[in-house]
Amino acid sequence: DAGVTQSPTHLIKTRGQHVTLRCSPISGHKSVSWYQQVLGQGPQFIFQYYEKEERGRGNFPDRFSARQFPNYSSELNVNALLLGDSALYLCASSFSPNTEAFFGQGTRLTVV
Amino acid sequence: AQSVTQPDIHITVSEGASLELRCNYSYGATPYLFWYVQSPGQGLQLLLKYFSGDTLVQGIKGFEAEFKRSQSSFNLRKPSVHWSDAAEYFCAVGARGFSGGYNKLIFGAGTRLAVHP
Repeated sequence: DAGVTQSPTHLIKTRGQHVTLRCSPISGHKSVSWYQQVLGQGPQFIFQYYEKEERGRGNFPDRFSARQFPNYSSELNVNALLLGDSALYLCASSFSPNTEAFFGQGTRLTVV
Repeated sequence: AQSVTQPDIHITVSEGASLELRCNYSYGATPYLFWYVQSPGQGLQLLLKYFSGDTLVQGIKGFEAEFKRSQSSFNLRKPSVHWSDAAEYFCAVGARGFSGGYNKLIFGAGTRLAVHP
């Protein structure tokens, strides 16, 4: 069975650019969450979507946005990239908010 | 405020020795609790979870954890460590959202485990 898939696996962007990260949840899972993991730290919650609606938002600036599509896949968008946005971005899916979350391998974003 | 503390940043054990990784949480209600493991450059793998019921939970790879409400702890244990267990371990609490579920995970800073042969 396919797990949570994220694309791309790595990318390099320049300060001020925009980036879109993609996530496909495990088949049958309707909830997708996004996390940012800076090197040497635990993941920090960015967004949760369930049934295509935003259900939670972490303490991130408005440059960060996301959406969930009818097939439950999701995109995370970051505008006006800063050097400090360099991190591993993790997507997690769960059947519902009452069940455990399974993580993808992440997208490593480097901003130069 | 909701938080998770993993007091040990780095632990080194010998292969075959027992292991206990500490986790303390601060949360106002009955928590959802999780342990995840992360190998370098990889995503997070769920080891085990506690939602309710028996306070001693069994997970994958021979790991177990015990929820102690009075101590606000959820320590991870393994009786005999293998070299392949070397990784970073994260404890997390699920902050409750709508309909009794949780809408975000709050992670500790992690404990890096090294295993000596």
